[in-house]
Amino acid sequence: EVQLVESGGGLVQPGGSLRLSCAASGFTFSNYWMSWVRQAPGKGLEWVANIKFDGSEKYYVDSVKGRFTISRDNAENSLYLQMSSLRDEDTGAYYCARYIRETTRDYYYMDVWGKGTTVTVSS
Amino acid sequence: DIQLTQSPSFLSASVGDRVTITCRASQGISTHLAWFQQKSGIAPKLLIYAASILQSGVPSRFSGSGSGTEFTLTISSLQPEDFATYYCQQLKSYPLTFGQGTRLEIK
Repeated sequence: EVQLVESGGGLVQPGGSLRLSCAASGFTFSNYWMSWVRQAPGKGLEWVANIKFDGSEKYYVDSVKGRFTISRDNAENSLYLQMSSLRDEDTGAYYCARYIRETTRDYYYMDVWGKGTTVTVSS
Repeated sequence: DIQLTQSPSFLSASVGDRVTITCRASQGISTHLAWFQQKSGIAPKLLIYAASILQSGVPSRFSGSGSGTEFTLTISSLQPEDFATYYCQQLKSYPLTFGQGTRLEIK
């Protein structure tokens, strides 16, 4: 079964740091791009970051550039999001998702999602 | 950045109804659009990708259409389990963006 399981969320003070992890199983992790998407309480979905299958390309939403770093360990089938200088507005559920890029057919989509981990930034 | 605007933001309908949700992009995105369903407190579920391709396992009452700047998600006959929030997402260019969501509730 294809599965993604996030962990590492919790309560952190403004300005603090946190590292989220996403454990992948049931597929060849090293063949896929991966994504982080977040959702503030009662709000909509916001894409946060993408990383290429070999880690050589990374993309971020402007609001986290310079503060968040996406990375991966293909040997450990794991995706990470290192978050620093956290702000109140970073509070929410963080989901990792598998990002499909079928370039030959020009198809792009996020097909598998984890259940999420919750980050609360508060003093 | 490409903005996506969904309409309506809120929709009240009955079991058996046919409903349509629209997603408009601020610039052309070809067919690089996906639709998701999200139930409260649960991760989003992919319904449609490439604007009109039904994800495996998704009931055929869901369909998508459109290209360029205007897209629609149609549910042909609402079932009780379809009451949820629906989001469109563009994957044409970074930053990837979502619509604000359409909340579908039981009338």
